[in-house]
Amino acid sequence: EAQLLESGGDLVQPGKSLRLSCAASGFTFSTFAMSWVRQAPGKGLEWVSTISGNAGRTYYADSVKGRFTISRDNSKNTLFLQMNSLRAEDTAVYYCAKDRTPYSSGWYSGDYWGQGTLVTISS
Amino acid sequence: NFILTQPHSVSESPGKTVTISCTRSSGSIAGNYVQWYQQRPGSVPTTVIYEDTRRPSGIPDRFSGSIDSSSNSASLTISGLKTEDEADYYCQSYDFSNHVVFGGGTKLTVL
Repeated sequence: EAQLLESGGDLVQPGKSLRLSCAASGFTFSTFAMSWVRQAPGKGLEWVSTISGNAGRTYYADSVKGRFTISRDNSKNTLFLQMNSLRAEDTAVYYCAKDRTPYSSGWYSGDYWGQGTLVTISS
Repeated sequence: NFILTQPHSVSESPGKTVTISCTRSSGSIAGNYVQWYQQRPGSVPTTVIYEDTRRPSGIPDRFSGSIDSSSNSASLTISGLKTEDEADYYCQSYDFSNHVVFGGGTKLTVL
């Protein structure tokens, strides 16, 4: 069974940077698109970014475009999210999630989610 | 891009049936698959419906999904409500630029 484990969440000041990681196991990581989805405290789910299995395609929500960068290391079965110029409104639990269908160019339906990592942006 | 609109909350009694709607603001609801996720308090989202109507293994057939082109909406119907169904439910779809869209979520209370 697929397992996803996020790490890297922390309390950081506005304007600073943070890098999140998501270690994957139990499936052929390189064949599945992956996404980051966040959830601010007491709020709903918000899509952040998607990367295709071979890392050839990336997609970003307007709210993070130009500040966040998604990447992956298929040799290490790990997904990343580099977050720069952080703002208070980026405060959230960040989940990584696997797409259901192999070889998709996008993330259309999540079947496995990690437990999430908390990012808090505050001075 | 488009918006998926869900009711903020619904409530129903145990044993009854409830339907949660998800209305797409532009473009056809049938144009891209809709998924539904259940998120119990303090837990990770789990899929209850994918590709409009399909149930993952382990999800009881009390959960069903449908789409209605006339109202441009998707619906999640839960029959035989149980207290364990009390949760937040989110619909999700995507556009032709592979941008993912979530609805705002619906809080289901089973009372």
